[in-house]
Amino acid sequence: GAVVSQHPSWVICKSGTSVKIECRSLDFQATTMFWYRQFPKQSLMLMATSNEGSKATYEQGVEKDKFLINHASLTLSTLTVTSAHPEDSSFYICSARGFSSGQSYNEQFFGPGTRLTVL
Amino acid sequence: TQLLEQSPQFLSIQEGENLTVYCNSSSVFSSLQWYRQEPGEGPVLLVTVVTGGEVKKLKRLTFQFGDARKDSSLHITAAQPGDTGLYLCAGRRGSQGNLIFGKGTKLSVKP
Repeated sequence: GAVVSQHPSWVICKSGTSVKIECRSLDFQATTMFWYRQFPKQSLMLMATSNEGSKATYEQGVEKDKFLINHASLTLSTLTVTSAHPEDSSFYICSARGFSSGQSYNEQFFGPGTRLTVL
Repeated sequence: TQLLEQSPQFLSIQEGENLTVYCNSSSVFSSLQWYRQEPGEGPVLLVTVVTGGEVKKLKRLTFQFGDARKDSSLHITAAQPGDTGLYLCAGRRGSQGNLIFGKGTKLSVKP
């Protein structure tokens, strides 16, 4: 199956700093990538959807200037949390959908997540 | 308003018991997926159902999609401690629609 990786798996930062999280599709071309946030004991909430080479589409209530998403290639998307604050502490999960060797994947494949803790 | 309602939210049972988790909506979905997520990890896809009334089995897990494609259930037979985790249902509206997740059911199976 298709594999999605995330880096780092966890990060601790000081309030006011920016943090970048990478999401990579390892064995397929990700035409669409999704970023989710999951607070403790809650479900996944979609933050934004990005298509390769285009600007991300943000869900209502998600600040695009605070959560910068870049999807510049078919295998990499980045989420940058700018001026992070303790309330941004959460589990961030990316997901990707795309194709490989002519086969189109309608399924979304999820990364292992990144635990962000802002002190 | 939660588009997909999952119940129960929490379930704690003994090893060997059976259980059913429900996922309900007033909306019609083109497909519905079930995921299992362990703490500190991303969700892992268990199954996708696309046809109304469809039943799929994965070892001790049985998944059913409602006839009207608005609801689904996950039944686990003879639960084992390894089944412990957060079970999430997610529906997709339209072939390219985004996945909409339920709140999840946290299952704990005690030995």
